[in-house]
Amino acid sequence: AQTVTQSQPEMSVQEAETVTLSCTYDTSESNYYLFWYKQPPSRQMILVIRQEAYKQQNATENRFSVNFQKAAKSFSLKISDSQLGDTAMYFCAFMTDQGGSEKLVFGKGTKLTVNP
Amino acid sequence: DAGVIQSPRHEVTEMGQEVTLRCKPISGHDYLFWYRQTMMRGLELLIYFNNNVPIDDSGMPEDRFSAKMPNASFSTLKIQPSEPRDSAVYFCASSLLLAGALTDTQYFGPGTRLTVL
Repeated sequence: AQTVTQSQPEMSVQEAETVTLSCTYDTSESNYYLFWYKQPPSRQMILVIRQEAYKQQNATENRFSVNFQKAAKSFSLKISDSQLGDTAMYFCAFMTDQGGSEKLVFGKGTKLTVNP
Repeated sequence: DAGVIQSPRHEVTEMGQEVTLRCKPISGHDYLFWYRQTMMRGLELLIYFNNNVPIDDSGMPEDRFSAKMPNASFSTLKIQPSEPRDSAVYFCASSLLLAGALTDTQYFGPGTRLTVL
């Protein structure tokens, strides 16, 4: 079974600085998908960024980028120019490409606080 | 688009009562998912549907939980009888698997916070 590990339960960063959230996963499959979701205090789950394992290029969405290291099974999220609105729980998630399954497996999350 | 709609947003009930949570997926989406979020276990997939048919219900904790999707625009998650350990936030999500695509993004609703006393 696939597992997703987020080793940092909590992190904080000063506004305008850069922060990196860690995520590792375990799978025997060669093709899969990885996601970062953000959950602000409103509880809404919001997609931040996604990465297909077959793509070597790291995904980027504005201030958010990932460092995808397939061999190391690592998928970290970098937030540049942190803003107060980035304060939220961040969840890393994995989806297999096998058997047509659409199941997302989530990590436990990292609580990020952006300080003014 | 209005996004995924869930109701109610908050539900407080007493142990033993029946609870029904409702979800309206994004129009045109063909997958619907029910998740449960607790502090202890994080986010867990309970069940998901494809074209109104349940595909995988292996995450449903026990027979007290049931889910239906009578049509493409509505799904329910029912707990009968409810217990205090069912207290959690329940999320509904939907996605659309485009032809030729291997997967697509799941879009979440705002969640229902359930408290069972």
